[in-house]
Amino acid sequence: AQSVTQPDIHITVSEGASLELRCNYSYGATPYLFWYVQSPGQGLQLLLKYFSGDTLVQGIKGFEAEFKRSQSSFNLRKPSVHWSDAAEYFCAVGASRQGAQKLVFGQGTRLTINP
Amino acid sequence: DSGVTQTPKHLITATGQRVTLRCSPRSGDLSVYWYQQSLDQGLQFLIQYYNGEERAKGNILERFSAQQFPDLHSELNLSSLELGDSALYFCASSVAQGLAGLLDTQYFGPGTRLTVL
Repeated sequence: AQSVTQPDIHITVSEGASLELRCNYSYGATPYLFWYVQSPGQGLQLLLKYFSGDTLVQGIKGFEAEFKRSQSSFNLRKPSVHWSDAAEYFCAVGASRQGAQKLVFGQGTRLTINP
Repeated sequence: DSGVTQTPKHLITATGQRVTLRCSPRSGDLSVYWYQQSLDQGLQFLIQYYNGEERAKGNILERFSAQQFPDLHSELNLSSLELGDSALYFCASSVAQGLAGLLDTQYFGPGTRLTVL
């Protein structure tokens, strides 16, 4: 069965500092991996996704993620955070089988930005 | 704005009651998904519909049911509500049903916050 672990429940960084959010997945085949962001009171917005190919994926808002098969990881990074990046971040792994699609989400990492 | 709309935005009701949540997918999307987000369970997949037919089931309780109508909007019905059903319910949509094993990108609506008192 698929599963996702986000080891950090809450992270605080200073504005302008670099960021890395960790995500580890468990899946038997080549995974489809996603990062979503949820701002307070909002729905989930897709930041980036990995299906195949280049293991370094660029997303919106200056985010990138790197797929490392050997470590079963898909960590999210940003070189310099902005106060508007404060939100909850969810990593997800997906599978598609005979038309049935399912996303399994991690528990989320809440990001706080210090001014 | 993802293009997925959900109504109502907030819903407050009492235990034992029944409610209906509505979702309109993005224009052109044939698949609709329902998720529940609660503090203790996190974000959980409930059910998927594709072009009116059920395609996948997740951790959906028997008290819950869903359907997708010919105009592709979907409704999630929650009955015999319990305190523990209080949560944020998200609808998402995608273009197709993941043909040939490919996974579509799902676009999420703003959610309906259900409070059961």
